[in-house]
Amino acid sequence: GAGVSQSPSNKVTEKGKDVELRCDPISGHTALYWYRQSLGQGLEFLIYFQGNSAPDKSGLPSDRFSAERTGGSVSTLTIQRTQQEDSAVYLCASSQGLMREQYFGPGTRLTVT
Amino acid sequence: QKEVEQNSGPLSVPEGAIASLNCTYSDRGSQSFFWYRQYSGKSPELIMFIYSNGDKEDGRFTAQLNKASQYVSLLIRDSQPSDSATYLCAGGGGYQKVTFGTGTKLQVIP
Repeated sequence: GAGVSQSPSNKVTEKGKDVELRCDPISGHTALYWYRQSLGQGLEFLIYFQGNSAPDKSGLPSDRFSAERTGGSVSTLTIQRTQQEDSAVYLCASSQGLMREQYFGPGTRLTVT
Repeated sequence: QKEVEQNSGPLSVPEGAIASLNCTYSDRGSQSFFWYRQYSGKSPELIMFIYSNGDKEDGRFTAQLNKASQYVSLLIRDSQPSDSATYLCAGGGGYQKVTFGTGTKLQVIP
């Protein structure tokens, strides 16, 4: 079946612009996660959605970052007024439940110039 | 305080040897554990998951869980150069989300 998909695969933006990153989870997966990975670093948790529960936003680094999940499926991560330190690969993952294995999308490489 | 810890490596093993990757966790409530492989420039790929104490084998991979000592390990038998990657350990339980370690870089020397 189809895996997790993300778009765009690459995004180059100017400092100060807003960007939207999209994630399509595996069909039927109730949990969706966003992570950030800088070059050579580990995964940095940003936010997760589980069913109809309030999202866990504890990993969002600043109020410039927000995310939503519409209809329990597609999710959009928005970064406002991008900064150079936002440059990283943004990974989305989904799972059948909070304690189940996560499947990752290919990621969006964001470069802020 | 990190909830899942791994040695960053690199761990170098000769081709054909057994590679042993270890991970410790701090939350005794953790119930689910996962190993992911991440090649450079790629996203993490699930290798194995383990929920019960003991060993779980899948091909050349064996995951080991010891809840009393709070560690998880991954053994790779007959290591191949294609196994060279960063291996991420992850764990979680109850109502806590799964937390990832920072990964161990494995180098298999031909």
